[in-house]
Parts: sequence; structure tokens; C-alpha cells
Amino acid sequence: DTGVSQNPRHKITKRGQNVTFRCDPISEHNRLYWYRQTLGQGPEFLTYFQNEAQLEKSRLLSDRFSAERPKGSFSTLEIQRTEQGDSAMYLCASSPWTSGRETQYFGPGTRLLVL
Amino acid sequence: AQSVAQPEDQVNVAEGNPLTVKCTYSVSGNPYLFWYVQYPNRGLQFLLKYITGDNLVKGSYGFEAEFNKSQTSFHLKKPSALVSDSALYFCAVRDVGFQKLVFGTGTRLLVSP
Repeated sequence: DTGVSQNPRHKITKRGQNVTFRCDPISEHNRLYWYRQTLGQGPEFLTYFQNEAQLEKSRLLSDRFSAERPKGSFSTLEIQRTEQGDSAMYLCASSPWTSGRETQYFGPGTRLLVL
Repeated sequence: AQSVAQPEDQVNVAEGNPLTVKCTYSVSGNPYLFWYVQYPNRGLQFLLKYITGDNLVKGSYGFEAEFNKSQTSFHLKKPSALVSDSALYFCAVRDVGFQKLVFGTGTRLLVSP
């Protein structure tokens, strides 16, 4: 399967713990996006990278959240001192970048439950 | 600011009948419009997009959508629904010059045998 992959698929943690998610984009896609989806809502944009550069961050991405893409390939999203309100599905997407008209392709998501 | 409205939480249709899932949008510039489908425990799967050109866009699995600039709508359609089409459908918009997708709240499609 050559699609976007995310690990882990599910994560249960206790409030106050740190968690880290990984996203592997489609090979040679130089743009990578993170979204968060809460129950009953559509995905909301968090941040995106072009290669290793983080070009935009949403106001939803508080100081407890940090994302990296150190070599322009896979990306990690870390949440420090988790809160119950962080419980959500975290989605990663990737796209090539040529004309600006490209489609974002999504991974299966990581479902986080904070107890 | 960009926004998307999906006015129906759920659409019910019998197998073999045509289906329509509604979407309206608001952007300051020219829109790029997308439809995605989400099955349980799976990520979003791309169905189709409108960038420019012909207002009728054809996509995967027999789905199509019609872009209507005057009504700022991008409704998803299929001539003959299948039970396997039952899923959660999301409309999304991206304003030209911006990178993020803005999604609607989703419409659950239920196709009965």
C-alpha cells in the first residue's frame, strides 16, 4: 500500500501525559498537513509543511502542540500535558506541489482518547 | 474567511434511486472544491474536485458534482445509489492562494436495500 500511513492507529493516555503521533506521507509528496477531527465535526486544519519547513500553524495549535518534519519525509505531532479536550482523531494528509491545484490525500488517522 | 455548509445531517435514499448531498460554500476569491467520503475507522477518501472549467465534475464510484457559482453550491450526486455508498460525506473548500482545506460538518448517507 503506497498511501499515507499513520501510527499508532489508536492511543489511550491519561491526562497530563505526553503523546507523539507519526505520519508517513505518500512517497515524493513534498507537502504534509495535519488536521484534527472531533466527534460530529469535519476535520479542522492544524498545520502544514512544505518539505521540512512548517509554513502555517492554526490558532488551534496551542503551545502544548508541536509538529516536526525533520528531513522532509515523515512528520511527528506531539501533544504535551494532554487534556481531555485533546481527545479527537488526528488526520495527516499529503500532496505534491506543482500548480497549486493538487489533491490532499488522507491517512487513516490516529484516534486519541485522554482519560 | 472560508466556510462550508452541509445543511443535512443525514440523507436517506433507497438503493437504485438517485441521491444528492448538498453543499454550499463561501470564499473571498475563486474556490477549489472537494468531496471526500469517510467509512468507519478509516480516513478520508477523495471522491472528486472542481478546480476550473466544466461545471459538472465526474469522480470515483459513479459520483459527480455540479459547481454553481451563482448559488455558491457544489452538490454531490449519483444516478443510482448502492447500499455500499452508505458513509459520511464531507464537502471542503480551499480558497486560491491558501493551503488549508475548510470542511463542512458532514452528511451521513444511508442507502437502504
